[in-house]
Amino acid sequence: AQSVTQLGSHVSVSEGALVLLRCNYSSSVPPYLFWYVQYPNQGLQLLLKYTSAATLVKGINGFEAEFKKSETSFHLTKPSAHMSDAAEYFCAVSLDTGRRALTFGSGTRLQVQP
Amino acid sequence: NAGVTQTPKFRVLKTGQSMTLLCAQDMNHEYMYWYRQDPGMGLRLIHYSVGEGTTAKGEVPDGYNVSRLKKQNFLLGLESAAPSQTSVYFCASRGTGINTEAFFGQGTRLTVV
Repeated sequence: AQSVTQLGSHVSVSEGALVLLRCNYSSSVPPYLFWYVQYPNQGLQLLLKYTSAATLVKGINGFEAEFKKSETSFHLTKPSAHMSDAAEYFCAVSLDTGRRALTFGSGTRLQVQP
Repeated sequence: NAGVTQTPKFRVLKTGQSMTLLCAQDMNHEYMYWYRQDPGMGLRLIHYSVGEGTTAKGEVPDGYNVSRLKKQNFLLGLESAAPSQTSVYFCASRGTGINTEAFFGQGTRLTVV
């Protein structure tokens, strides 16, 4: 069975500070991993995805994530937070199974303080 | 190119009423999904479809039914709404490539009183 754990339901950083959102996965086969962002009252938008081509993945809005197989992690980072980054972030995993559905973590709400 | 469109965006139902949520995608995707989002629980899969005319149960299917008569549409039905079905519902679609992402609609906020 596949699962995703996001550590920390709320993270607060100051504007300009490093953003680190944690995601650990559980999978018996190589996973496909995704980070999505959800702004208030909107749907989910893809930030980036890991598809085994490279362990360091760059996404939109300056975000990146590194796949670490030994740690079963796919943490999301951004060097300098902006006020506009305040949102909820979801890590998701997908296996090459018939339904191809994504399994989501419980989400991390990022607050950015001025 | 609208992507994934959900209707309605908001709805209030009384306990026992029925309703249908419509999802339409214009990307010719084979896979379509209905999720519900509840605080602290992420998104949970209700039902899904791997192609026109097919449907299957996800993790939380009880109280819901779905149909996919046309490839571009995926309908979610609540036959007898319950307060526990108060949630935000998201439809998503995905192509057949192993590494493709899912595209989401804007969501339907449903309140059952």
